[in-house]
Order: sequence, then structure tokens, then C-alpha cells
Amino acid sequence: NAGVTQTPKFQVLKTGQSMTLQCAQDMNHEYMSWYRQDPGMGLRLIHYSVGAGITDQGEVPNGYNVSRSTTEDFPLRLLSAAPSQTSVYFCASRPKGAGLRDTQYFGPGTRLTVL
Amino acid sequence: GNSVTQMEGPVTLSEEAFLTINCTYTATGYPSLFWYVQYPGEGLQLLLKATKADDKGSNKGFEATYRKETTSFHLEKGSVQVSDSAVYFCALGHSSASKIIFGSGTRLSIRP
Repeated sequence: NAGVTQTPKFQVLKTGQSMTLQCAQDMNHEYMSWYRQDPGMGLRLIHYSVGAGITDQGEVPNGYNVSRSTTEDFPLRLLSAAPSQTSVYFCASRPKGAGLRDTQYFGPGTRLTVL
Repeated sequence: GNSVTQMEGPVTLSEEAFLTINCTYTATGYPSLFWYVQYPGEGLQLLLKATKADDKGSNKGFEATYRKETTSFHLEKGSVQVSDSAVYFCALGHSSASKIIFGSGTRLSIRP
């Protein structure tokens, strides 16, 4: 198993540009989520999905869109990038039935810089 | 609401020193507690976890005990190595919440 994969690893955008961060997992996990990591702030939840066709907002959803058309993929879209979105983005997944009391599996991250 | 507070870094130690990284939490009921580790350039990976009071999680020489009376889950290692240099995150998972709560992370650097 490749686990949770993310592309690209690094990205530089100009303000106002759009892009999609890709996330895929091959573990047949129902639950997937996106976090951003900023210095001194730990990880903050952006959006999450409990299964194909179902998404919901986390604590910092503004400026980001998600969709979940398949179990495997959970892309994160930035419609109009802003410097405040400069961060490291992590995708995570966990199995169906595994609640928040269980382990999450993280991807390697995407480092995004918005100029 | 639920929250996690962990020791601010950075922490710098010499090889073979004793390590403690403090973590305290606020939660109702019985959450699970985790320590995740992030090595340079990588994503987070689970280091250890405990799911009920007095449980001890352990892995790679690290230990942490779930103390409900002090609402703590401190990470300890008896003799650190250079390869332990990483950022460590304490986290809380609760079945009644909608998300995992992460601490702010503690950067650990070990000198040879």
C-alpha cells in the first residue's frame, strides 16, 4: 500500500491564482480530511469527508473547496489564493468505524507559498 | 470545549539525555490521547496512544501514561538519540467531537 499520497510536494502561487492540491489513499478509508499547519498553531482542520459524496467544513474552511467523488480521492481547491494561505497542507484518512478515538494516517504534506 | 496544551519549544538536548515533553488536556468524558511525530520533510505519524485512564502507550523507547487525575499525557524517553530530532504533537480524540484536537507542537533537537 502506498498509504496517503499528496501532490505536489511544493507549490508557489501568485495572489489570485487557483490550484488544486491532490490527495489519494489506497486503504479504502471512508474518512478523509485536510489540515493546514502553521508555526505555533498546530494543525487546524479545513474540511473533512465521511464518505464519497459527503463533505463538511472544519474550523478554517474559508477560501477552500473540496469534493469527494470517489472513496480514494479528496482534492482541495484554492479558488483565489491569498498570502494568508501560505502554509503546509496535510491530508489524512482513517477507516470506517474508526472514530476520533482511533489513529489517523497522514500524507507527506504540500508546502504552499502564495506571493 | 476540548483543548490540548503542550510544552513550548524548541527543546535542545544532548544525546543520551532524559526527555520529557509535557502535555495537558481539557475534555469531558474519556477521550483517547495521542502523540504524533513529524520528522523533517515528512508528514505526521503516530508515535503512541492511550485510550483509557492509566493506560501507558509506548513505542521506540518513548512512553506516555494517561493520567486522568492530572489530565496529563507527558511524553518521556530515557535516552534520546540524534534520530529523535523531530516535531512532536500531542493530540486528543473524542467520540463526541467533530475533529481531533492537536497541540501546537514541540520541536526537539538532539546534539551529538
